[in-house]
Amino acid sequence: KAGVTQTPRYLIKTRGQQVTLSCSPISGHRSVSWYQQTPGQGLQFLFEYFSETQRNKGNFPGRFSGRQFSNSRSEMNVSTLELGDSALYLCASSLPDYVGRDTQYFGPGTRLTVL
Amino acid sequence: AQKVTQAQTEISVVEKEDVTLDCVYETRDTTYYLFWYKQPPSGELVFLIRRNSFDEQNEISGRYSWNFQKSTSSFNFTITASQVVDSAVYFCALSEAAGNTPLVFGKGTRLSVIA
Repeated sequence: KAGVTQTPRYLIKTRGQQVTLSCSPISGHRSVSWYQQTPGQGLQFLFEYFSETQRNKGNFPGRFSGRQFSNSRSEMNVSTLELGDSALYLCASSLPDYVGRDTQYFGPGTRLTVL
Repeated sequence: AQKVTQAQTEISVVEKEDVTLDCVYETRDTTYYLFWYKQPPSGELVFLIRRNSFDEQNEISGRYSWNFQKSTSSFNFTITASQVVDSAVYFCALSEAAGNTPLVFGKGTRLSVIA
């Protein structure tokens, strides 16, 4: 079974631009979560989507947004990029779980550099 | 609020030594889930183990073992006879069952195994 895939793997943008990152979950997984990883803040939760609905959201400004499609693929968008948005963005998928928390499997990440 | 503390920022060992990575967690929930992930230089977070709060049985998988102690809120990870390929950053994470809370990660422990 193929793992979580993320595109692109590397991205260089300049301040003020916007960027869209894509994530394809493991087949059969319906929950997709996004995390930002930086040396200073570590791994921080951005948001989670389940059945095309945002189920949870972390403490990030509105410049960070996301969506999920009917095939469970997800995209996240960052508008008006700032230097501090430079990070590794990780996507994780898990099976549907209404009671507890299923295991999240991560993709290779997209490394975003903002100049 | 949930919190995960990995007090060891970096550990360096010589190949074949045993090493233990510490993880201490805080949660008010009675049902929660603990995880360990490995992040090699490639960046992808690799799932290692999941432990439910109601299951305190320790686990061994090859050279890896985990010691879960609710009394001390700890979930420590031991690598026996370490190898160079074990060099990576290891993250401990916690998720509460209530409210579909996201994974909260520790800051990670960078393990360097020297040949």
